[in-house]
Amino acid sequence: GDSVTQMEGPVTLSEEAFLTINCTYTATGYPSLFWYVQYPGEGLQLLLKATKADDKGSNKGFEATYRKETTSFHLEKGSVQVSDSAVYFCALMNSGGSNYKLTFGKGTLLTVNP
Amino acid sequence: NAGVTQTPKFQVLKTGQSMTLQCAQDMNHNSMYWYRQDPGMGLRLIYYSASEGTTDKGEVPNGYNVSRLNKREFSLRLESAAPSQTSVYFCASSRDTGELFFGEGSRLTVL
Repeated sequence: GDSVTQMEGPVTLSEEAFLTINCTYTATGYPSLFWYVQYPGEGLQLLLKATKADDKGSNKGFEATYRKETTSFHLEKGSVQVSDSAVYFCALMNSGGSNYKLTFGKGTLLTVNP
Repeated sequence: NAGVTQTPKFQVLKTGQSMTLQCAQDMNHNSMYWYRQDPGMGLRLIYYSASEGTTDKGEVPNGYNVSRLNKREFSLRLESAAPSQTSVYFCASSRDTGELFFGEGSRLTVL
């Protein structure tokens, strides 16, 4: 079945450091890929997405490129802020038939210190 | 815009008690989902509903039942709670593009 593997945390960075959170996936067909973010005490919210190979999703300074050859969707940000401290989830969707289900990775906790 | 609303936000149960988690969305979405979130496990799908009147099992359905009451509402019921069901539960809805909209979560403790 489909699966998502993301780097285990926690990740601790200083403000303005470069961020990479690795994500790889296993899926049949051509899934869509997503990054969700969960701020403390809140539900998840969509950060960015890519629906086909070589697409780049971007939002709030975060970027991720859909790499089919390496089955990866790594999240990057050039300069993190304290407000980026959160849990980040990589996810994929294989919309077989009418079942729009997401498969999530286990999440990576990011802490950014001033 | 309320989005996805879950109730209650916190609940403590004793083993064997029953309860229902309520979820409502006001975005006219077809699909609704119940996930549980546990430390080190990420989010795991319990049940989902692709449209009004249909429900399907997810990854971890045992011990739960669901009802898609109408397009807006999707409830999750624990008939006989067990300590293993201590978790944070999230309801979500989707317009079937992969963008899920989540509620704020319901923290359940089973003693």
